[in-house]
Amino acid sequence: DQQVKQNSPSLSVQEGRISILNCDYTNSMFDYFLWYKKYPAEGPTFLISISSIKDKNEDGRFTVFLNKSAKHLSLHIVPSQPGDSAVYFCAARVGNTGTASKLTFGTGTRLQVTL
Amino acid sequence: NAGVMQNPRHLVRRRGQEARLRCSPMKGHSHVYWYRQLPEEGLKFMVYLQKENIIDESGMPKERFSAEFPKEGPSILRIQQVVRGDSAAYFCASSPLAGGGYEQYFGPGTRLTVT
Repeated sequence: DQQVKQNSPSLSVQEGRISILNCDYTNSMFDYFLWYKKYPAEGPTFLISISSIKDKNEDGRFTVFLNKSAKHLSLHIVPSQPGDSAVYFCAARVGNTGTASKLTFGTGTRLQVTL
Repeated sequence: NAGVMQNPRHLVRRRGQEARLRCSPMKGHSHVYWYRQLPEEGLKFMVYLQKENIIDESGMPKERFSAEFPKEGPSILRIQQVVRGDSAAYFCASSPLAGGGYEQYFGPGTRLTVT
């Protein structure tokens, strides 16, 4: 039962353009969402997060949008740079404490930024 | 400030042997999480530990797998009598507190190969 879905396994974008990575979830109890970036042979690196009480969070070139009614979030990268080429994972968490701390990950989207 | 440390980075075991994976959380972090990534898949939660306590082991296989986080020393993920299906990347993450706005910071992973 895949509770967090990233339906696009790969995405190719030209340098300077916008990259939009999408994520859908099915568990309405999720209330905190995160995006991680992962290079080969390395661990995931935290990028940006958003609480369910917000619909947008921005950090430099990265913006995450949350549509709770649609159970959908997206990560926008503007402008895209070659160094952004990596696998991006969407993750979600239920609640605030204890056993709710575990993250549920999507399967990832491989972003390639071309020159 | 050192990040999450994992060792070994690569581990090769024959079927039936034991594998021990170590994780030292970031300084000041007392919450440790283990995740497993099978080839071409996302990260799957295994276990969440605080010092000397297992908080959530809902993702751990029922047999052959165990984890600990002693008062002193690193967290250990132990896999007994390894099988080929255990071949995966095992990631450890840590956080200063549970849930809320506290992101989990990941180590570089241990890549286990069972021959």
